[in-house]
Amino acid sequence: SQQGEEDPQALSIQEGENATMNCSYKTSINNLQWYRQNSGRGLVHLILIRSNEREKHSGRLRVTLDTSKKSSSLLITASRAADTASYFCAARGGYQKVTFGTGTKLQVIP
Amino acid sequence: GAVVSQHPSWVICKSGTSVKIECRSLDFQATTMFWYRQFPKQSLMLMATSNEGSKATYEQGVEKDKFLINHASLTLSTLTVTSAHPEDSSFYICSASEDRTGTKGNEQFFGPGTRLTVL
Repeated sequence: SQQGEEDPQALSIQEGENATMNCSYKTSINNLQWYRQNSGRGLVHLILIRSNEREKHSGRLRVTLDTSKKSSSLLITASRAADTASYFCAARGGYQKVTFGTGTKLQVIP
Repeated sequence: GAVVSQHPSWVICKSGTSVKIECRSLDFQATTMFWYRQFPKQSLMLMATSNEGSKATYEQGVEKDKFLINHASLTLSTLTVTSAHPEDSSFYICSASEDRTGTKGNEQFFGPGTRLTVL
């Protein structure tokens, strides 16, 4: 399978704490994106990091990319109950093909 | 900008019938559209990639005669699930790309998904 792996599979934290999710992929990429999905709903694009970037910030989100290890991490700081959702990484390789990770289910307890 | 819509949002049909799902890019021209399937509590799996005016490229294990894809215009792609069966019940999500360099680059924009339930 070309699907990437994410860990942890599920994560439960208290509101205000930070949440870190990791993603590994298998082939070389052009960019890597993180998405959020609320239960039964569509995807919301969070952030994109290009293969020549190592770190990117957007509000409370911080993404890192290590192409030598084929891995990325998403950090959500000062989490809120509304951040409860599933988070997926999506690695874009050649021919625009995007491979999604297995996802991390985040629960933020108020 | 960069809005992708899907119609219908959800559909329930009887086994053996065919269901058509539409994916539209509302404010940009989508040279390339992608169709994904997501089973409960699982990730998205790419089914096929379609370029406007040409035949879709299907991923391994996806039956092209069962999942018919038509990308006849730069703003519309359709997925038809033919002779649907209960195991086809899933969440189907499309995405669209402008396939250009620039601020949007090759970013894909996702539709809200269509939930198909086959009885």
